Amino acid sequence: DSGVTQTPKHLITATGQRVTLRCSPRSGDLSVYWYQQSLDQGLQFLIHYYNGEERAKGNILERFSAQQFPDLHSELNLSSLELGDSALYFCASSVGWGRDQPQHFGDGTRLSIL
Amino acid sequence: QKEVEQDPGPLSVPEGAIVSLNCTYSNSAFQYFMWYRQYSRKGPELLMYTYSSGNKEDGRFTAQVDKSSKYISLFIRDSQPSDSATYLCAMSAESGGGADGLTFGKGTHLIIQP
Repeated sequence: DSGVTQTPKHLITATGQRVTLRCSPRSGDLSVYWYQQSLDQGLQFLIHYYNGEERAKGNILERFSAQQFPDLHSELNLSSLELGDSALYFCASSVGWGRDQPQHFGDGTRLSIL
Repeated sequence: QKEVEQDPGPLSVPEGAIVSLNCTYSNSAFQYFMWYRQYSRKGPELLMYTYSSGNKEDGRFTAQVDKSSKYISLFIRDSQPSDSATYLCAMSAESGGGADGLTFGKGTHLIIQP
């Protein structure tokens, strides 16, 4: 058990809908990273929050947004969903960027768009 | 050319064999190198975390980094059927995964035959 908790494990929804994925980092970790994993692209970095503030964006669509709350949990919001958004979404946490500690991953949310 | 190249396999070896998994990369700024293991329907699990060039050993696992060749390897000794999984290499320019997250290879699917 990595200590990173993601809910829900599986989401099934339709095109055009909006969903929210939730991540609770390991105790003491201030950084939360979101990644998308698809068969053709592999694991791709989406966005990074550190202690409540956005630190960096990767290959994140404008339809996607995230936030990190004062208790350090994070939510990834996906809107106007398209079939191509079907993927596994992982969050990872670490003590903080620039600190010599690796990222630990949750077990992901599987998003299926029908 | 992708930033990180990794043979997707599958790589099938008999139980007890030594397994060699490899990645090449193009970004010379990468200094931190990781290997993750991912079982089906689970999140990536950290196996090895190394900095710069050299070797690191942990039990049956040895990670090697050759920055001059931009080549990293993971060796698994005395392989077991439970080692059957997808192995992902990951790297970053900064410690802790950096501000910009990790860059992953697409993963090698490993099968250990009993």
